Amino acid sequence: DTGVSQNPRHKITKRGQNVTFRCDPISEHNRLYWYRQTLGQGPEFLTYFQNEAQLEKSRLLSDRFSAERPKGSFSTLEIQRTEQGDSAMYLCASSLRGAGGTEAFFGQGTRLTVV
Amino acid sequence: GESVGLHLPTLSVQEGDNSIINCAYSNSASDYFIWYKQESGKGPQFIIDIRSNMDKRQGQRVTVLLNKTVKHLSLQIAATQPGDSAVYFCAETGAAGNKLTFGGGTRVLVKP
Repeated sequence: DTGVSQNPRHKITKRGQNVTFRCDPISEHNRLYWYRQTLGQGPEFLTYFQNEAQLEKSRLLSDRFSAERPKGSFSTLEIQRTEQGDSAMYLCASSLRGAGGTEAFFGQGTRLTVV
Repeated sequence: GESVGLHLPTLSVQEGDNSIINCAYSNSASDYFIWYKQESGKGPQFIIDIRSNMDKRQGQRVTVLLNKTVKHLSLQIAATQPGDSAVYFCAETGAAGNKLTFGGGTRVLVKP
């Protein structure tokens, strides 16, 4: 395992469809984060897990968004009834313990285009 | 709310010169800071970090300076190379250390 892996790399979907993204963190990392990034902006925090527990969710995470990390390893991010405004890069990161003190490593992201 | 921001959106630098990227943060409780480099179509890549109990840290060709008095962070890249062309983000965590808050990014363009 050489890093954080995200699948798919690209997703084009029609408005109203549901999409699911997967993130495989670095194997020994207990924290997993989801971020969203739009063009020209820094990543915006969405949610994070410590092991299987989802400890914080941003107000950006509407009720159409749900994230899971069922066994404390990989995570999925689902967006229901996608809207054009959901088009963005969705980034996953992982770290040991808290983000403070040990760096968070990012995956390559999943670029979502809603048409 | 608390925020992390950057002074310059784009920095053009001649190959071989030194680059300085600046970042201001507003959360005085920020405890840990990271600089990330992001190339087009890729995720952010860790460059260097610094804790709030330090004012300088050096890596390979990079130096991060932290001035807590004015809540300012900078990244210095020595002998900038074409491969350094990217967008650079500063990010910080608060005392809880639960998540990173990113600034808006500075694009560095290296001219040959």
